[in-house]
Amino acid sequence: EVELVESGGHLVRPGGSLRLSCRASNFTFSDYAMDWVRQAPGKGLEWISSISSRGSHTYYTDSVRGRFIISRDNGKNSLDLQMNSLTADDMGVYFCARGNLGDPTIQGYALDKWGLGILVTVS
Amino acid sequence: DIQMTQSPSSLSAAVGDRVTVTCRASQNIRTFLNWFQQKPGKAPKLLIYGASILHSGAPSRFSGSGSGTDFTLTITSLQPEDSATYFCQQSLTVPSVTFGQGTRLEIK
Repeated sequence: EVELVESGGHLVRPGGSLRLSCRASNFTFSDYAMDWVRQAPGKGLEWISSISSRGSHTYYTDSVRGRFIISRDNGKNSLDLQMNSLTADDMGVYFCARGNLGDPTIQGYALDKWGLGILVTVS
Repeated sequence: DIQMTQSPSSLSAAVGDRVTVTCRASQNIRTFLNWFQQKPGKAPKLLIYGASILHSGAPSRFSGSGSGTDFTLTITSLQPEDSATYFCQQSLTVPSVTFGQGTRLEIK
């Protein structure tokens, strides 16, 4: 069964940095684009970032562009999110999710497997 | 950005009931609409993609319909395990997608 496990979340001060990781297993990681989605406390889901299957193309929502960096290591089946200059607005549960295609810019791209999420607290 | 508006924000229904959740897009998204189920403390699960295509493993009592700006998620014969929050999401403007605010479904 496909498994995605996030790690790295904890309490950080405003202006601080944090690196989240997602370990993938039981599928050919290098075939799929990957995303990060977050959920602020009591709020809905917000797309944060995507990376193509080979890691050659990355995409960000406006509010994190220039502060967050998404990356992947296909040899290690891992996805990372480096988060810098954190603010209270960045607080929430961060989900790692697998896309159903290698290119996240193809219309109809869907996130078909998700991790349990990891909590990031900025205070 | 395309705004996604779900209604109702919450509802309560009995086992065996037929339940409908609606999602409206602020502009035409054709059939680029996905539905997710999220239970507390659990990972979201893809239920429906392409507005009406049942994702592998999703129970057949779930169905989706609609195109353009108006979409519906229907659960026929509600089961206790269907208690969850349901989100719609547009996939027209990938990768920058947007989600609805969610509909919390409670089983009476």
